[in-house]
Amino acid sequence: GAGVSQSPSNKVTEKGKDVELRCDPISGHTALYWYRQSLGQGLEFLIYFQGNSAPDKSGLPSDRFSAERTGGSVSTLTIQRTQQEDSAVYLCASSPSPAEAGGYTFGSGTRLTVV
Amino acid sequence: SQKIEQNSEALNIQEGKTATLTCNYTNYSPAYLQWYRQDPGRGPVFLLLIRENEKEKRKERLKVTFDTTLKQSLFHITASQPADSATYLCALEVSGGYQKVTFGTGTKLQVIP
Repeated sequence: GAGVSQSPSNKVTEKGKDVELRCDPISGHTALYWYRQSLGQGLEFLIYFQGNSAPDKSGLPSDRFSAERTGGSVSTLTIQRTQQEDSAVYLCASSPSPAEAGGYTFGSGTRLTVV
Repeated sequence: SQKIEQNSEALNIQEGKTATLTCNYTNYSPAYLQWYRQDPGRGPVFLLLIRENEKEKRKERLKVTFDTTLKQSLFHITASQPADSATYLCALEVSGGYQKVTFGTGTKLQVIP
C-alpha cells in the first residue's frame, strides 16, 4: 500500500481482556518495528522484525506481550490480560532494509485505552 | 546510562524567525541521527538523516548539524511558518547489524503568526 496502515485506530478494552493490534507495512519493506508512546513520553521500542523473524524482542515489557509477522508483510501485536498501564498509542513503522537514507515510515497508531 | 535529551519545554517563536531545536545524547556512539516531525494524533514523519561523518545537512528550509565531539545535533527551521508547529523528535541509530533507532521525547514548537 501507499503507507503504513494500522487498525483499529482506537481500542477501548476492559482490564484483563486480550487485544490484537494490526500493522500493514509498505509493500516491499522487509523491516518492521513496533513502538509505543505514552502521554508526554518518547517512543518506547518494543520489537523489530526482519522478514518474518524477530531478531530483537528486547523491548517487550512482559510475557503478556507477543508479536508475529506472516508472509513478510502484516504484523500483529497481541497483549494478553491487559492492564491499565498498557494504555498508550502503539505505533508501527516499516523500512526497506537497509534504511539508511530514508528513515522509518510510521502508521498513525492504535490508541489503546484499558478501563 | 544512555540518554537522549531534548528540551521538554515548548519553544515559541515568531513567524519568519529561525527556530533552533537541540538534541543532546550521552553514552551513545550513533552511526546516524534522524529528525522526525510528529503532529497530534499522527505517527512521526521522517525529515532528515545525518551520518556521523557529516557536519551538516540541508533540505529546503531545514538544516541539521551533528557534532560527535559535543554529542549534539541542532535542528534549524529558517523562515518559520505557523504550519511548522509540531513536535520534533530526534532519533539515534546505532550501527549494529540492523537499524535500531532510539527516540528522544521531542520538543514542541509553536510558531506564532
